[in-house]
Amino acid sequence: AQSVTQLDSQVPVFEEAPVELRCNYSSSVSVYLFWYVQYPNQGLQLLLKYLSGSTLVESINGFEAEFNKSQTSFHLRKPSVHISDTAEYFCAVSDSQGAQKLVFGQGTRLTINP
Amino acid sequence: EPEVTQTPSHQVTQMGQEVILRCVPISNHLYFYWYRQILGQKVEFLVSFYNNEISEKSEIFDDQFSVERPDGSNFTLKIRSTKLEDSAMYFCAGSPSGETQYFGPGTRLLVL
Repeated sequence: AQSVTQLDSQVPVFEEAPVELRCNYSSSVSVYLFWYVQYPNQGLQLLLKYLSGSTLVESINGFEAEFNKSQTSFHLRKPSVHISDTAEYFCAVSDSQGAQKLVFGQGTRLTINP
Repeated sequence: EPEVTQTPSHQVTQMGQEVILRCVPISNHLYFYWYRQILGQKVEFLVSFYNNEISEKSEIFDDQFSVERPDGSNFTLKIRSTKLEDSAMYFCAGSPSGETQYFGPGTRLLVL
């Protein structure tokens, strides 16, 4: 069975500051890793994903995440956040074999203060 | 860019009533999923569906739940006799290949 732990339930930061949202997973098989974002009153949007290849993946709005197999982590980072990044961020894992379900972390609420 | 849509956006029902939640996946998606998120809790997997049959279901997905793709476009989740604890946000997701899932905006179900 797989599990995901997001170590911080809430992260407040000031605008233009860097941020890191932590995600650790456990799995006995090889995995795909995802970050989804949920803006207020909206659904889950795919932010970025690791399927294979380069362990550093980037989104179009400046976020990046690095797959670290030895530490079983997939932390999300952004060097300079904007007010519009205020949202809940969910880390998720799935088995890389077949069309498997996603297992989600409990989410991290990112609040950007001016 | 095509999106997954879900209707209704909100549903209020009485305990014991049947509800049907509807999803229209993106047209080239072949794999379909339902998840739910009880307020303050994790997003939880309910069921996956491929080639017109259930491929996996969770312990939550008991005999009160069923899924259907009746007309090749809509993907529905039926709860036969709702309970208070079924109150949650229900998300539909689709995937073209099973690797990456794309979610709809969700249906907020409130059971009174």
